[in-house]
Amino acid sequence: QSALTQPASVSGSPGQSITISCTATSSDVGDYVYVSWYQQHPGRAPKLMIYDVSKRPSGVSNRFSGSKSVSTASLTISGLQGEDEADYYCSSYTSTASWVFGGGTKLTVL
Amino acid sequence: EVQLVESGGGLVQPDWSRRLSCVASGFTFGDYAMHWVRQAPGKGLEWVSGISWNSGITGYADSVKGRFTISRENAKNSLYLQMSSLRAEDTALYYCVKGSGMTYYYYHMDVWGKGTTVTVS
Repeated sequence: QSALTQPASVSGSPGQSITISCTATSSDVGDYVYVSWYQQHPGRAPKLMIYDVSKRPSGVSNRFSGSKSVSTASLTISGLQGEDEADYYCSSYTSTASWVFGGGTKLTVL
Repeated sequence: EVQLVESGGGLVQPDWSRRLSCVASGFTFGDYAMHWVRQAPGKGLEWVSGISWNSGITGYADSVKGRFTISRENAKNSLYLQMSSLRAEDTALYYCVKGSGMTYYYYHMDVWGKGTTVTVS
C-alpha cells in the first residue's frame, strides 16, 4: 500500500473546477514539501504538471494549481477541458531516500 | 528539446537478467540525476531507482534492492538498469526519467522517456 493515498476517480463538467487530493499516510514523507503531480494520458508517458507542492513548470496551463495542508496535497484544475481527461499521480520524496507515487486518480470530463 | 530514448526491453524468462539502456539528448546529461520508474500493465507508477549526477549516490525501491543496479556513463549520455533474478512481478513498462537537480533525492523528476517494455514469463 502506497504511502500516498489518492481517490480512484473524480469527474467534472467542462468549465468546472475539480480537486484531486493526495494524503500522506506515512511519516516517511516528512514535512511533505517535495510533492509533484503528473498527468498521464492513455498510452503516453507522464508529464510534470506541478512540483514542490505549488510550482508550475513553464508551458503548463495556469488552470493547474497545487497546494498543501498539513499532510494532504491537492491538485486543482479550473476551467475543466476535455483534454484534461487523464490519470493524475502525486509523488513525494521520502525520508528513506526513495520516491513514492500515489495510486493515481482517473479524471473524467463529463 | 530534451529527449530520453529507452531500449533493451523484451521477453525474458524468470530468474534471468536483462539490461536496459537510456540515451539522453537536448541537455547536459552529466549535470543531472536520473531515475528509472516502472508501470505494470494497467497499474500505477512505481519508482525503481535513482542515481546522482556523478554516480556517487544511488537509491532503490525495496522491491528491487539487491537485484537491480543502476549506473550511468556521462561521456555517452547514457543511463542503465541491470536487472537480475527477474520475477513475473517485474513485468512493466520501464521509463527513463530526468531529475531536475544533481542528486536523485529532493529534486523532482521532470522529463520522461516513452519507455521500454519488459515481460517476465
